[in-house]
Parts: sequence; structure tokens; C-alpha cells
Amino acid sequence: DAKTTQPPSMDCAEGRAANLPCNHSTISGNEYVYWYRQIHSQGPQYIIHGLKNNETNEMASLIITEDRKSSTLILPHATLRDTAVYYCIVRVGNTGNQFYFGTGTSLTVIP
Amino acid sequence: NAGVTQTPKFQVLKTGQSMTLQCAQDMNHEYMSWYRQDPGMGLRLIHYSVGAGITDQGEVPNGYNVSRSTTEDFPLRLLSAAPSQTSVYFCASSYIGGRQTQYFGPGTRLTVL
Repeated sequence: DAKTTQPPSMDCAEGRAANLPCNHSTISGNEYVYWYRQIHSQGPQYIIHGLKNNETNEMASLIITEDRKSSTLILPHATLRDTAVYYCIVRVGNTGNQFYFGTGTSLTVIP
Repeated sequence: NAGVTQTPKFQVLKTGQSMTLQCAQDMNHEYMSWYRQDPGMGLRLIHYSVGAGITDQGEVPNGYNVSRSTTEDFPLRLLSAAPSQTSVYFCASSYIGGRQTQYFGPGTRLTVL
């Protein structure tokens, strides 16, 4: 099963880009990389996902390296409301649906 | 759509008591799952289901039972609660497939004394 490694915590100045790294060196060719965040003790919130190409949506951008062994989530203009724990997840399982969460990165956006 | 709903929001049990955590979704998702989250930890998968009548174990299934009689509902049963089961429980659902997004409920905070 592919697992992920993330730094436990990061700080980012408000208005600056937040770049959150993730290593997933054992990822298989058909496994997607997902990013979720969790604010306080709420249910995790979907941010973005990708397979091999870079992806962008209204919340963030996802950069996946060519060998797919790592990725970076980019929040282009961090706000105080982006303070949360960010989880990088690789989907595993025959159905492709099981998520295995690590401990994530606690991002603090500083005024 | 209400999305994924969970009841109750909070629950206190005594050791040895049983209870059922309810989870329902109105998005016609085939896949449903239960996670637990202990303080300072990430979510860990307890059980999951890929459709009515089909369930399977995740990372930490011991002490929990599930069943899936309908597409909409996926209850989690604690037969004999233990203090080690004090946690926040999240239910999630999605369509089947490698690129399907999972939607999470608001969670149930359970304390076992």
C-alpha cells in the first residue's frame, strides 16, 4: 500500500503562497493523489486530486513530479481561514476507494 | 442534498455499554466508510462498504461491527464500549472508482468512561 510522508507543521504569512510537500515514493501507476484539509475537528474537506498531470481548481494547485514520487499542494494566496491540517492521501484498494490518512501537515497562516 | 449526516453529535457511554452510530447519505453513493480520529492523529479506517450487503475491514476494525442493508445507511455498532474507543468518528461516502471524491460527515464525538 502506498503511504505518504508530510512535514508535521508549517507556517505561512498571510497573502503569500503556501507550498505543502508530500512524499509518496511507493505509489502505483493507477493511484491518485488526493489532498484534504481539516479545520478544527470538522469533517475533512476535499481540496484537489490528480494522477500525473498538474491540476488547478478554485482552491489550490497540485504539482506532481514526473516520477510521481512526490507532490506539492499550493495555496496561492493564503488567508487566516486556510489554517488547518492538510492531508495528502494516496488511494489504495481494489475498488480504489480506501483512504489511508497520515498525520498531515498543520499549516498556520500568520497575520 | 443534505450530503452525509451523522447522529448523534456527542455521546457519553459507560464501559461495557453498546450503541450504534448512525450515518446516512442522500447522494446515491455506492461506497461508504467509517473512520476514527484520536487526538492529534490522522483518521484511521475502521470498516467500509462498496454497496448494500457488502462490507469489509479497514485498518482498525476490532470492537466494531457494521452492516449495509440499504444504499443510504451505514451504521457502526459498538457492542461493548471500552475507554480505548473514545474518539471522534467520521463517516464518508463516494461513488466507486479511483478518482471519486469522498465526502465526509460532521463527526460524532464519543467518550467512554
